[in-house]
Amino acid sequence: DVKVTQSSRYLVKRTGEKVFLECVQDMDHENMFWYRQDPGLGLRLIYFSYDVKMKEKGDIPEGYSVSREKKERFSLILESASTNQTSMYLCASSLSLGTDTQYFGPGTRLTVL
Amino acid sequence: AQKVTQAQTEISVVEKEDVTLDCVYETRDTTYYLFWYKQPPSGELVFLIRRNSFDEQNEISGRYSWNFQKSTSSFNFTITASQVVDSAVYFCALTPTGGFKTIFGAGTRLFVKA
Repeated sequence: DVKVTQSSRYLVKRTGEKVFLECVQDMDHENMFWYRQDPGLGLRLIYFSYDVKMKEKGDIPEGYSVSREKKERFSLILESASTNQTSMYLCASSLSLGTDTQYFGPGTRLTVL
Repeated sequence: AQKVTQAQTEISVVEKEDVTLDCVYETRDTTYYLFWYKQPPSGELVFLIRRNSFDEQNEISGRYSWNFQKSTSSFNFTITASQVVDSAVYFCALTPTGGFKTIFGAGTRLFVKA
């Protein structure tokens, strides 16, 4: 079974802090994704990566950056956290882009005070 | 533009009732994939089904069934004889073939009461 793990289930940070959300997958998938989930809005894509050191912006990249130094690990970085970044963050991976099933981690609920 | 609409925000049923979750999509692409995912209270989205736009056959898997109708751009999901464990948020999603972005609907929260 594919396993996608996220470093924290719950995180509380202060406005202006730099925040790192880590995601690791164990199935040698090429592609990894970061979404945020907000009530009534479903999942919105922040960034995705189709290879090591490669990244593409999704629908809402502002205020976020990502890093993929190793195939199995994809990090989401909030350079200066703001209260409007309080949300559930979901990481996913897939074998191929687009048409393939995505496998999700358990999510990180981030609260920015 | 691509869009997935799940008009039902919340549905509440009593155990053993049948329930249908609606999904309507918009796309200009001629080929695409449709998905349903389940998000239980634990938070992790779980894959349920993937359907290619060329394949309009309905599918049944145990108590779950899916009705894909290209003519109405709908991909509805029915749970027969619902159980409390079916309580979750269900997401419908669309990916154009060859595309990289999956568009998710807003989700439908299903409550199944004992």
